Amino acid sequence: TQLLEQSPQFLSIQEGENLTVYCNSSSVFSSLQWYRQEPGEGPVLLVTVVTGGEVKKLKRLTFQFGDARKDSSLHITAAQPGDTGLYLCAGAQRNAGNMLTFGGGTRLMVKP
Amino acid sequence: DAMVIQNPRYQVTQFGKPVTLSCSQTLNHNVMYWYQQKSSQAPKLLFHYYDKDFNNEADTPDNFQSRRPNTSFCFLDIRSPGLGDAAMYLCATSGPPLNEKLFFGSGTQLSVL
Repeated sequence: TQLLEQSPQFLSIQEGENLTVYCNSSSVFSSLQWYRQEPGEGPVLLVTVVTGGEVKKLKRLTFQFGDARKDSSLHITAAQPGDTGLYLCAGAQRNAGNMLTFGGGTRLMVKP
Repeated sequence: DAMVIQNPRYQVTQFGKPVTLSCSQTLNHNVMYWYQQKSSQAPKLLFHYYDKDFNNEADTPDNFQSRRPNTSFCFLDIRSPGLGDAAMYLCATSGPPLNEKLFFGSGTQLSVL
């Protein structure tokens, strides 16, 4: 059983559609990060959320950290083909030396 | 501007033939990690160095070893690669204050023939 469950695992949508990716856990995290990974490249950090209830916006991407710091969501508005990639959430726990635990990932394909 | 550099990008080896993957960083970060990532899956942590202290994950096979001769460089040695070891190998670093944010290299895609 994964500590961080991401859903959906796969998502294929048309350009212009909206989507939400979820990252859920029964554990509390001191922070949660979202990464995007393009084929053949390493993951790139998009955002870090730290405070329960925090909302961060990055252009068309909106990230939310749950009040209890156990879950997070990523919402993309008007998706574009350039958003295609593997989205990974990762949680840090202070009692684990801030080592990151990755979710299983969501593979997003945005068709033109 | 590359900050975490992995070489080579693609590596082909034969079954059972030792192979070494390399990683260097210009961030002066104290923590370096090696992850294994199989197709469309999340990266799986193999081990990490906190400065010179080596930390092995419990389920990392003995076939995988690592060396960190200095702050900037870290190597992943696969002593006897099997077909199941074909994967993308990602190096990452993190630094103070909290060592939470990972900076990844572009990875080395390893094929085992």
